[in-house]
Amino acid sequence: DTEVTQTPKHLVMGMTNKKSLKCEQHMGHRAMYWYKQKAKKPPELMFVYSYEKLSINESVPSRFSPECPNSSLLNLHLHALQPEDSALYLCASSPGPGNQPQHFGDGTRLSIL
Amino acid sequence: QKEVEQNSGPLSVPEGAIASLNCTYSDRGSQSFFWYRQYSGKSPELIMSIYSNGDKEDGRFTAQLNKASQYVSLLIRDSQPSDSATYLCAVNKEGGSYIPTFGRGTSLIVHP
Repeated sequence: DTEVTQTPKHLVMGMTNKKSLKCEQHMGHRAMYWYKQKAKKPPELMFVYSYEKLSINESVPSRFSPECPNSSLLNLHLHALQPEDSALYLCASSPGPGNQPQHFGDGTRLSIL
Repeated sequence: QKEVEQNSGPLSVPEGAIASLNCTYSDRGSQSFFWYRQYSGKSPELIMSIYSNGDKEDGRFTAQLNKASQYVSLLIRDSQPSDSATYLCAVNKEGGSYIPTFGRGTSLIVHP
């Protein structure tokens, strides 16, 4: 069991659907991250929230929209995704935005039809 | 040149042997270094973190950092089949924005 909880574990959606991925941590961490990982590739950073403010957006297409409602929650809103967006989406958190290791959730396996 | 380089492997070692995983990085301003283990279909799990030159030991794992040569390594003693996984090296750059960079990972196979 991980201390970063992601839901759902699996998601299948059509290209016209709107869905959201959710991430929750109760470790008091103040930095949260979204990663995308394709098979046999390393995690690819998408967004970083530091103290509930978006601090990094790695040129992610606007069909991905992050949201940080509070210090424990992180959402990723999905709309009009493409088949190439099918991947494992990982949420991670760290105590702060400095030189500290990240704790990953189990991920959401996303498939776009 | 990629910022964090790892040999993709697979690295195959017999059970009980020492597995040696290596990682090089290009940014001399890098300050912190992490090793994650990732089983197939699972999320990365932190194994070791190291911040200063030298060795750091934790159980069967030893991380080694040499900032002058810009490499970090992970040694796994008494390797077990359960250690078979992909090992990701992550490097944190200097600066106010925390931008972790992952290597491509090394696949380790420990055979009985």
